[in-house]
Amino acid sequence: DAKTTQPTSMDCAEGRAANLPCNHSTISGNEYVYWYRQIHSQGPQYIIHGLKNNETNEMASLIITEDRKSSTLILPHATLRDTAVYYCIVRVLGSNYQLIWGAGTKLIIKP
Amino acid sequence: NAGVTQTPKFRILKIGQSMTLQCTQDMNHNYMYWYRQDPGMGLKLIYYSVGAGITDKGEVPNGYNVSRSTTEDFPLRLELAAPSQTSVYFCASSYPEAWQPQHFGDGTRLSIL
Repeated sequence: DAKTTQPTSMDCAEGRAANLPCNHSTISGNEYVYWYRQIHSQGPQYIIHGLKNNETNEMASLIITEDRKSSTLILPHATLRDTAVYYCIVRVLGSNYQLIWGAGTKLIIKP
Repeated sequence: NAGVTQTPKFRILKIGQSMTLQCTQDMNHNYMYWYRQDPGMGLKLIYYSVGAGITDKGEVPNGYNVSRSTTEDFPLRLELAAPSQTSVYFCASSYPEAWQPQHFGDGTRLSIL
């Protein structure tokens, strides 16, 4: 099963871009990379996902390296409400589509 | 939009008691999931269902049971509560395609004393 490695914590100044790295060196060619976040023990919130190409939506951008061994989630203009734990997940293919959750990155946005 | 609704939000049980955690979704999702999250950790899959009448075990199923009689509802049953089951429980649902994201409820915080 592909697993991910993320830094335990990061700080970012309010208004700046927050760049959250993720390593998934054992990812298979047909496995998606997902990003979720969890604000203060609420239910996880889906942010974005990608397979090979870079992706952008109203919340964030996802940059995936050409070899697919790592990716970066970019929050372009971080606000205090973006303080949360961010999870990078590789979706395991198979009958259960299980998400393997690590401990995530605690992102603290500072005023 | 209600999305995924979990009840109760909080519960304290005594060792050996039983209870059912309720989960319902109004998005007509085929797939539903139960996770638990211990302090400072990521989520672990307990059970999942790909449709009414079909359930299967996840990573940590021991001590739990599920049923799926309708598309909307996916209750989780604890038969003999143990302190190790103290956790936050999240229910989620999704469409069946592999790339579809999972949508989560707000969780049930359960303490076993």
